[in-house]
Amino acid sequence: GAVVSQHPSWVICKSGTSVKIECRSLDFQATTMFWYRQFPKQSLMLMATSNEGSKATYEQGVEKDKFLINHASLTLSTLTVTSAHPEDSSFYICSARDSLRTGTLNTEAFFGQGTRLTVV
Amino acid sequence: GDSVTQMEGPVTLSEEAFLTINCTYTATGYPSLFWYVQYPGEGLQLLLKATKADDKGSNKGFEATYRKETTSFHLEKGSVQVSDSAVYFCALSAGNTGKLIFGQGTTLQVKP
Repeated sequence: GAVVSQHPSWVICKSGTSVKIECRSLDFQATTMFWYRQFPKQSLMLMATSNEGSKATYEQGVEKDKFLINHASLTLSTLTVTSAHPEDSSFYICSARDSLRTGTLNTEAFFGQGTRLTVV
Repeated sequence: GDSVTQMEGPVTLSEEAFLTINCTYTATGYPSLFWYVQYPGEGLQLLLKATKADDKGSNKGFEATYRKETTSFHLEKGSVQVSDSAVYFCALSAGNTGKLIFGQGTTLQVKP
């Protein structure tokens, strides 16, 4: 299957600093990527839909200025957690679908391995 | 809005036992349904899917049937192994946006 690579796998940062997480589709193009957040022992919550070449679409309750998303190419989306605080500590996961197959009903989404963010 | 409800875990079974993890959904229209598995420290992997009513998805001995009349997509396996220990997520995707709505996840622990 297709591969989505997320980097870094884990990061520890100081409160008040910013952290960038990368999500790359390695062997396919993705005009749309998705960013999820997973709290311990809880489900994945969709944060935003990242659209190549345009602004991201954020879910209700997600702060746009806090979680900056950039989707500059067909294979890369980045999530920047700005002015991080301990409550931002979480597991962040991205997913992507193959753009060439989006015409197919509900094509499989491929997930990155996730990034564990700890803010101290 | 659309939602997915899974049975609460953790589920603890002995090796070779029968597994059922219940999943029900609420959605407008006709969603596609998925089961994803998350092994410790890893991202999610698609386990199986079904795109229309009465479809049965199957993979690695796991099965789930899309039941429109009961709005369910229960995951089953006849004989679990220790290596099946993981967190299992039921999810739906409505329309063709690619967005997935997940259930809360069910932790499965299989003991030798």
